[in-house]
Amino acid sequence: EAGVTQSPTHLIKTRGQQATLRCSPISGHTSVYWYQQALGLGLQFLLWYDEGEERNRGNFPPRFSGRQFPNYSSELNVNALELEDSALYLCASSWDSNQPQHFGDGTRLSIL
Amino acid sequence: GDSVTQMEGPVTLSEEAFLTINCTYTATGYPSLFWYVQYPGEGLQLLLKATKADDKGSNKGFEATYRKETTSFHLEKGSVQVSDSAVYFCAYYTGRRALTFGSGTRLQVQP
Repeated sequence: EAGVTQSPTHLIKTRGQQATLRCSPISGHTSVYWYQQALGLGLQFLLWYDEGEERNRGNFPPRFSGRQFPNYSSELNVNALELEDSALYLCASSWDSNQPQHFGDGTRLSIL
Repeated sequence: GDSVTQMEGPVTLSEEAFLTINCTYTATGYPSLFWYVQYPGEGLQLLLKATKADDKGSNKGFEATYRKETTSFHLEKGSVQVSDSAVYFCAYYTGRRALTFGSGTRLQVQP
């Protein structure tokens, strides 16, 4: 069974640009979650998508947004990039509220 | 508010030593508890979980018991290997599927 896959592995942008990160969940999983792992800040919850809808978001500004497609894959978009957005962005998926989240290997976003 | 507190690392042990990584949480109700492991350059892997008080999660020689009375979920392993070197995260659901993580504990096992 294929795990959660994320692309690209690395992404380099400059301040003010926009970044798009992609995630494919494990087959059969309908929920997708995004987390930010920034140096010194630990892992922080960003967004939860289920059945194509945003269900919950963490304490992040509106320039962090995303969507979930009919095949349950997801995109995370970050607009007006700032230096502090440099981090590892992790995607996770699950199929039920009682089941744990399974993570991909992440996209490392570097802002120059 | 809800939070998870882990012992600070790095924890440095010799091969075959006993491991304990402390984790305590503050939350209302009975949250599900998890330990995740992150190897260098990789994402998080679920190590073990417990969903109710007194549950014991176990995997790959690691164990953790859900202690409601002490709000703890300490990770233990009887004999660590060099391949166990990684960062370990304690976590629980804060509601609406958001996982709250501890700050992580780096384990270094020396041969």
